[in-house]
Amino acid sequence: TQLLEQSPQFLSIQEGENLTVYCNSSSVFSSLQWYRQEPGEGPVLLVTVVTGGEVKKLKRLTFQFGDARKDSSLHITAAQPGDTGLYLCAGDPTGGGNKLTFGTGTQLKVEL
Amino acid sequence: DTEVTQTPKHLVMGMTNKKSLKCEQHMGHRAMYWYKQKAKKPPELMFVYSYEKLSINESVPSRFSPECPNSSLLNLHLHALQPEDSALYLCASSQASGAFYEQYFGPGTRLTVT
Repeated sequence: TQLLEQSPQFLSIQEGENLTVYCNSSSVFSSLQWYRQEPGEGPVLLVTVVTGGEVKKLKRLTFQFGDARKDSSLHITAAQPGDTGLYLCAGDPTGGGNKLTFGTGTQLKVEL
Repeated sequence: DTEVTQTPKHLVMGMTNKKSLKCEQHMGHRAMYWYKQKAKKPPELMFVYSYEKLSINESVPSRFSPECPNSSLLNLHLHALQPEDSALYLCASSQASGAFYEQYFGPGTRLTVT
C-alpha cells in the first residue's frame, strides 16, 4: 500500500509569515496533485506536477516535485487569512490511473 | 468551466429512509467518482465510473448503491444507513484517458444520519 505522509499535520501562523508543507512517500508517483479545501466545501485543485524536479508557481504558492518523484512540497510566501484551509496532496501511482492516493492532510490557519 | 455540481447541499435522514445524492458535470469528463470524507481527514474513495461503467468499488457496503445514467450524471442511492455513515460525500470527475487525470470536485453533500 502506497502512503503519502504530510507534515506538519496542523499549522497556525500569523499573516505575512512563510510556510512549507511536505508530502512524502517511499513510493514513486507518476504525477502528484495539490488541493486546498475550505470547511464544508470540496477540494479545489491547485496544481499538478508531473516531472521529477519540476517547480510550479501559482502567485504566492510554489510547488516542487522531488527529483525521484517520491515527495513534494508546497511553499506559501506571505500567508494571508484566505490561505486558511486543509491542504491535500494526492498522487497517481500508476500513471493514467484514476485511483489517487491522498496524503494525510495539513490543516493551515492563518490569523490576522 | 470546471464546475461539478452536487445536490442536495445538506441531507438529514433516518436509518430507515431511502434518499439519493446527485452529481452533474459538463466538462466532457468520462470518469466520475464518489468519495466519503470525515472531518479534517482526506477523502476516501468509494466508487469510480469510467465510460459509464463501474470500474472500482472499494468494498463499500451495499446500503450505498451508485448509478451512472449518462456521461454527465452520477447518483448515489442511500438506504438503511447507519449513524457512522454521516459525513461529507464528494463527487469528482476527470478525463478517463491520458498520462494523468486531474480530478475536479463538487462542493459535497453534508449527510447526517439520525
